[in-house]
Order: sequence, then structure tokens, then C-alpha cells
Amino acid sequence: GNSVTQMEGPVTLSEEAFLTINCTYTATGYPSLFWYVQYPGEGLQLLLKATKADDKGSNKGFEATYRKETTSFHLEKGSVQVSDSAVYFCALRLRRTGGFKTIFGAGTRLFVKA
Amino acid sequence: EADIYQTPRYLVIGTGKKITLECSQTMGHDKMYWYQQDPGMELHLIHYSYGVNSTEKGDLSSESTVSRIRTEHFPLTLESARPSHTSQYLCASSEGGTQSYNEQFFGPGTRLTVL
Repeated sequence: GNSVTQMEGPVTLSEEAFLTINCTYTATGYPSLFWYVQYPGEGLQLLLKATKADDKGSNKGFEATYRKETTSFHLEKGSVQVSDSAVYFCALRLRRTGGFKTIFGAGTRLFVKA
Repeated sequence: EADIYQTPRYLVIGTGKKITLECSQTMGHDKMYWYQQDPGMELHLIHYSYGVNSTEKGDLSSESTVSRIRTEHFPLTLESARPSHTSQYLCASSEGGTQSYNEQFFGPGTRLTVL
């Protein structure tokens, strides 16, 4: 079936450290891939997206590349800040009968220490 | 900036009460969704709608019901709340059309606690 697997959290980093949050997926067809971020007390926000193989999504210093050969969409940032502390969700969206379906990973909580 | 609103943000109620969680969006989106999110767990789709008078159940079975009488409004109702309904409920919307990468905009969520 279709699924999204993220690395378990929490991830704790010092400010300016390099961040990688792994995400792999299983899907039939050709999904679009997303990273969402949920800051404390807020709703989910789209962070970045990629719609086809080898696309790179980027926003606010975060990047992720759609790797079809490894079915992965790992999130990276070169230098994290305290304000990046949040929960990050990887998601895929694919077509199904009657519409589309979005599947979310379990989320990875990131703590960044000053 | 996304314009999707949920009320209340927090709700603590007793068992057996009827409750309605409100969700409204001002973007004219055809598609709306309700997700349930338990702490530390992934999001699960419980209801969705592709337009007025269209509602469908999602992947996770839920005792709640929804209605879509107006494009901008997608309320969720629990006729008789139970402690097992304690969770966070997230509403989302997206444009219509056939593109799979249409962004979903999320409301701030309602954290429900049933005592």
C-alpha cells in the first residue's frame, strides 16, 4: 500500500548545526511530495514541495530533493536556528478514484538549543 | 497568508455532550478536509468534501459527522462525546482541479478533551 515513513524524533540540535530529517515513501503511481511544518500552538504550514522526480523544493533555507530511485524526500538545512524548533511532517499526495489522497508521516519533532 | 479558521481552539467538555467544531475558509476552495491528530502520532483523514453537498468518510473511522451546506463552511459534529474522542482536530482546504500538488491550507486546530 501507500505509506510515508519518517525518522523518529525528537531530534535535538545546537544552533547552526546541519539538519537532516529522513523521509521515505511507498506509492503506486507518481505522487507529489511535501514537507509541512507545525510550530507550537499553530496549524500546519506547507514548507516545500516537489512534483516530479529530481525536483528540488526549497524554502527558508530548507531543501528536499525528490529521489525516485531511492523513494526518498529527505529534508535538509545547512544551519538551523532556535526558531526552527517545530514538528515536521513529510507527506505524499497521489491520485485515486474520485480525487486525490494525502498521506502524512508521523512527524518528527525538532528541538534547537541556543 | 492562508485564511482558514477553526473555533474553538480548545474545548474541555463532559461525556455525553453534543459538540460542533467550526471550520471556515475565505479562499473559495472547493475541497475541505478534517484530520485527527493524536499527540506524537501521524495525521489521519476522517472526513473530506469536494464541494457543496458533498461529504465522504476518510481513512480513519470516526463517529463524527460533517456537513457542507456552504462552500466556506465545513463543521464537524459529535452527537455524544466520549473520552476516546480526545484529540486534536485539524481542518484543511485546497483548490479544486486535477493537479495533485495543490497545497492544502490548514487551520490552527481544535484541541478537544472529553472528561
